[in-house]
Amino acid sequence: DAGVIQSPRHEVTEMGQEVTLRCKPISGHNSLFWYRQTMMRGLELLIYFNNNVPIDDSGMPEDRFSAKMPNASFSTLKIQPSEPRDSAVYFCASRPTPTTNEKLFFGSGTQLSVL
Amino acid sequence: GESVGLHLPTLSVQEGDNSIINCAYSNSASDYFIWYKQESGKGPQFIIDIRSNMDKRQGQRVTVLLNKTVKHLSLQIAATQPGDSAVYFCAENMGGGFKTIFGAGTRLFVKA
Repeated sequence: DAGVIQSPRHEVTEMGQEVTLRCKPISGHNSLFWYRQTMMRGLELLIYFNNNVPIDDSGMPEDRFSAKMPNASFSTLKIQPSEPRDSAVYFCASRPTPTTNEKLFFGSGTQLSVL
Repeated sequence: GESVGLHLPTLSVQEGDNSIINCAYSNSASDYFIWYKQESGKGPQFIIDIRSNMDKRQGQRVTVLLNKTVKHLSLQIAATQPGDSAVYFCAENMGGGFKTIFGAGTRLFVKA
């Protein structure tokens, strides 16, 4: 099992540019989560999907952030336009079942630096 | 409200000693709690979990205690090893939506 796969591992971009982060959940997992980690705010839940449907996006900071899950094996988190305060590590996580309490499996994260 | 990390307390222990990491959770309706370990440059990794109908659960070298009266969790690590050095997060699943919210984290440093 390859685990949750995120790409790119590192992203450096300039303010105003569009950034797209990618995630492949573990095969067979039906819930997918996007988190952002910073020193100031810790691990923040941005959005999560059950069966490819967005359930709760209340953590998405503002309209510059959007997330999609076109199929069960792929999700994207897009920031347009990016700003220096978006610099953080972005984690994707998946879980087998949407409707029970289970642990999350995390990817290795994408380190985003917006200059 | 939801748990948000603002500070990262540090616990320093001697190799071989027992470690106790504490966490206060925010929502009295939460019914599932998890401890994760995060090593540098990696994503959080599951250690142990506990459901709200229990007050103690043991794993290999780890024990989680849950006190619902005061909304408090603790993680006990027996015979702490250098490989246990990491940041430890408690997390709670809020009922209904099963979304997982993380606490602030505690950095554990093990001295050889």
